[in-house]
Amino acid sequence: NAGVTQTPKFRILKIGQSMTLQCTQDMNHNYMYWYRQDPGMGLKLIYYSVGAGITDKGEVPNGYNVSRSTTEDFPLRLELAAPSQTSVYFCASRGTGGGYTFGSGTRLTVV
Amino acid sequence: EDKVVQSPLSLVVHEGDTVTLNCSYEVTNFRSLLWYKQEKKAPTFLFMLTSSGIEKKSGRLSSILDKKELFSILNITATQTGDSAVYLCAVDRNAGNMLTFGGGTRLMVKP
Repeated sequence: NAGVTQTPKFRILKIGQSMTLQCTQDMNHNYMYWYRQDPGMGLKLIYYSVGAGITDKGEVPNGYNVSRSTTEDFPLRLELAAPSQTSVYFCASRGTGGGYTFGSGTRLTVV
Repeated sequence: EDKVVQSPLSLVVHEGDTVTLNCSYEVTNFRSLLWYKQEKKAPTFLFMLTSSGIEKKSGRLSSILDKKELFSILNITATQTGDSAVYLCAVDRNAGNMLTFGGGTRLMVKP
C-alpha cells in the first residue's frame, strides 16, 4: 500500500521555467491537497480537490495550476517559476474517516 | 480569516524534562484539531481531537482540547532526543474540507 506518492523528491529550476509536480494516491480518497512549506513555517494550502473534475483555490494559489482528471492523480503545475516558489511541497489526501495522509514532499529550488 | 497560532516558536529542553506545546485557533465551522510531528520529511499524524475535555494519550504524549477557550495543548513527558522535531497543530473545518496549519513549534531535546 503506497499511500501518497510524490515525484520528484528534489528539483532545481531556473527562473521562468515550468514544471509539474506529480502526486498519486492509491487509497481511493476523494479529497486531495497541495501545500507548501517555507523554512521554519507551517503548511499553507495552495489548491485542493474534493473529487475528480473539481478543484478549488486555497490560501496561496498564485503562480500555480492544478487538474484532477482521475481520483488517483492531482498534479501541480508551475508555469513561470519564480524564486518566491522555492519551498517544500506536500501533497495530501483525506479519506472519509477524516484522517489525512501526506506524501514525502518535493523540495523545489528556483534560481 | 481562520487563524491557528502555536507557542512557543521553539523550545530547548534536556532529556527527561516535560514539555507543553500550545495551540490556539479561530476557525469557523470547527470539525477537529490535529497534531502532527514533523522530522525531516512529511508530517506524521499524532492525534485528532474533536470533543472538548477528553484527553488523547499515546505513550509519553497526550493532548487535550478546550473548545470553549479555542485551545489545545500537547504534552510530552520524559522527553527523549528522538522527540526533537517540529510539532504542527492544524484545524479541520466542516466547510471547505481543508486543514489550516499553525506555524509549528520546534522542539530540541538535548542529551
